[in-house]
Order: sequence, then structure tokens, then C-alpha cells
Amino acid sequence: EDQVTQSPEALRLQEGESSSLNCSYTVSGLRGLFWYRQDPGKGPEFLFTLYSAGEEKEKERLKATLTKKESFLHITAPKPEDSATYLCAVRNYGQNFVFGPGTRLSVLP
Amino acid sequence: DVKVTQSSRYLVKRTGEKVFLECVQDMDHENMFWYRQDPGLGLRLIYFSYDVKMKEKGDIPEGYSVSREKKERFSLILESASTNQTSMYLCASSSGQGGSGELFFGEGSRLTVL
Repeated sequence: EDQVTQSPEALRLQEGESSSLNCSYTVSGLRGLFWYRQDPGKGPEFLFTLYSAGEEKEKERLKATLTKKESFLHITAPKPEDSATYLCAVRNYGQNFVFGPGTRLSVLP
Repeated sequence: DVKVTQSSRYLVKRTGEKVFLECVQDMDHENMFWYRQDPGLGLRLIYFSYDVKMKEKGDIPEGYSVSREKKERFSLILESASTNQTSMYLCASSSGQGGSGELFFGEGSRLTVL
């Protein structure tokens, strides 16, 4: 069974304090790994897609990396507006998505 | 920009009522999905559709049905609402086989069943 776990469950950072969020997955056939950002009371917003081990993608202060078993979302010098829940999902060859439970990030000024 | 629009942001219904949640996307996407999101349980797939008039059960279809009469519109129906269906409902769409496949979500519909 395809499965996604994320750690930590919650993370509090001071503004400017870099860190990483982890997404570990097992999937029968990886068609893509996706990162989303979700603000309270809103729908998830797409950030990145990664397709193969070794791939990296960047957007502003965020960088996503992928290995055969996990993905990391690195946050460099975060700002309070980066506070959100970050969701990881995998898509298998059956075209369905499996989501992780998310990491709730708080960045304090 | 891709836009997925859900008809109601907040609804309050009574037990036993029939509830319709509407979703419209404007990017000509083939695939549409309905999820519910609950604290501690994450996103769970209710139903999905890869084409007009086509529907497939997801992981938790009990108590729900769907309708897709037009490509851009995917409706979720609660035939007889119950309190355990109080949740945030999220509609999403994605392009078909040729696309990169990411889901685009609507803003969500928060349903409370009393």
C-alpha cells in the first residue's frame, strides 16, 4: 500500500532560522512527488513536482529535493509569511494521489 | 491562472438534509477530484472522475455520490447528511495523461452538519 509520512508534525522557527521538512514515502510506482502549501481555512497551493531521484527545484526561500525514499523541503532564512502547513503527496501509476499528514510550520518574528 | 471555484465556502445543514457541493474549473482539465480534510486524518479521496459522465470511488465513498455532466463541473452530493460528515471539502482538478499532473485545489467548502 502506498504511504506518505511527514516529520516533524509541527515546527517553530525564528525568522531567519533555516531548517528542513521531511517526507518519507513508499509507492508502487512513482509518477511524481508533490509539495503543497496550505494556509488555514484555504485549499492547498501547489509548490513543486519532483519526478526522479536527484532532482531539485527551488522557489524563493524553498528548495525541494528527492531521493528514492524521501523528499526534503529546505527553508532558507524563513520569514513569518512562510508560516503554513506543508503537504507532501505522491502520485502512483494508477494516477491517484496519496497525501501525507503535513508539517505545520510557524515562523516567529 | 488555473481557477477551481467551489460554490460555497461555509454551509450549515441539518441531519438528514440533502447537500450539494459544486465545483467548477476553467482550465479544461480532464480529471477532477473530491477530498475531505479532517484534523489528524489528512486529505482523503472521496470520488474522482477522469471524463465526463465517468466516476470512480475513492477511499471513503460511503454516504456520498457525485455527478459530472459537463467537463468543467463536478458535484458532490450528500444524500442524507450526518454529523460525521462535518468537514472541510476540497475539490481539485488536474490535466490528463499528457500534463505534469499536479492537482489544483479550490478554496474549500467547510460543512457543518447539526
